[in-house]
Amino acid sequence: DAGVTQSPTHLIKTRGQQVTLRCSPKSGHDTVSWYQQALGQGPQFIFQYYEEEERQRGNFPDRFSGHQFPNYSSELNVNALLLGDSALYLCASSFSARGAEAFFGQGTRLTVV
Amino acid sequence: AQSVTQLDSQVPVFEEAPVELRCNYSSSVSVYLFWYVQYPNQGLQLLLKYLSGSTLVKGINGFEAEFNKSQTSFHLRKPSVHISDTAEYFCAVSPMNTGFQKLVFGTGTRLLVSP
Repeated sequence: DAGVTQSPTHLIKTRGQQVTLRCSPKSGHDTVSWYQQALGQGPQFIFQYYEEEERQRGNFPDRFSGHQFPNYSSELNVNALLLGDSALYLCASSFSARGAEAFFGQGTRLTVV
Repeated sequence: AQSVTQLDSQVPVFEEAPVELRCNYSSSVSVYLFWYVQYPNQGLQLLLKYLSGSTLVKGINGFEAEFNKSQTSFHLRKPSVHISDTAEYFCAVSPMNTGFQKLVFGTGTRLLVSP
C-alpha cells in the first residue's frame, strides 16, 4: 500500500498564476481533506471531499477550490496566487467514519514569488 | 467552534529524560483528540488518539497521553526520550457531532532532544 501520495513535491509559481495540486488517497479510503500549513504554524483545514462533493469548508477564500474524482483522488486548485499562499499543502485521507484516523501525505511545498 | 492551545512552542530535553508536551482545548461539543508528529520535510504521522473509554491512551514509539475532561487537557508524555524523537508535535481535536472528520490543530511544539 503506497499510502497517501501527493504531487508535485515542490512547486514555484509567480503571483497571479494558478496552481493545481494532486492527491491519491490511501487504498480503501473514500474521504480526502486538504490542509494548509504555513511556516511555523499548525495545519489549517481548507475543505473536505466525500462522494465527489465538498462536505465542509474552512475559512479560505473562493480562490481555493477542489475536486474529487470517482476513484477518490482529489485536486486542489488555487487561483490568483498571493505571496501569502506560500505554504506546505497537506492532503489527508480517511474512511467516512467518526473518529477515523486521517493519514497524511508528505505534502506539496508551494512557493509564490 | 474548536480551538487548541499548545502552551510550549519549544521543549529542550536531554536524551533519556522524561518529557511532557502540554495541550489544552476549547470546544462547545465533545471532541475526539489526537497527537501527530511531523519530522522535517515530511507529512504528519498519528502518534495516538482518544475516542472513548480509558482516559490513558498509549501510542507508538513509547508515547502516551491522558485525557482530562474537567481541565480540557490532553498532555503527551514519554518516560525516556531518544535523539530520534526530535520533531514537531501537534495536538488536534475533531468534533464528535458531525458525520465527518475535520481536524483543528494547535500551533505545534518543537521537541529538541540533545545528547
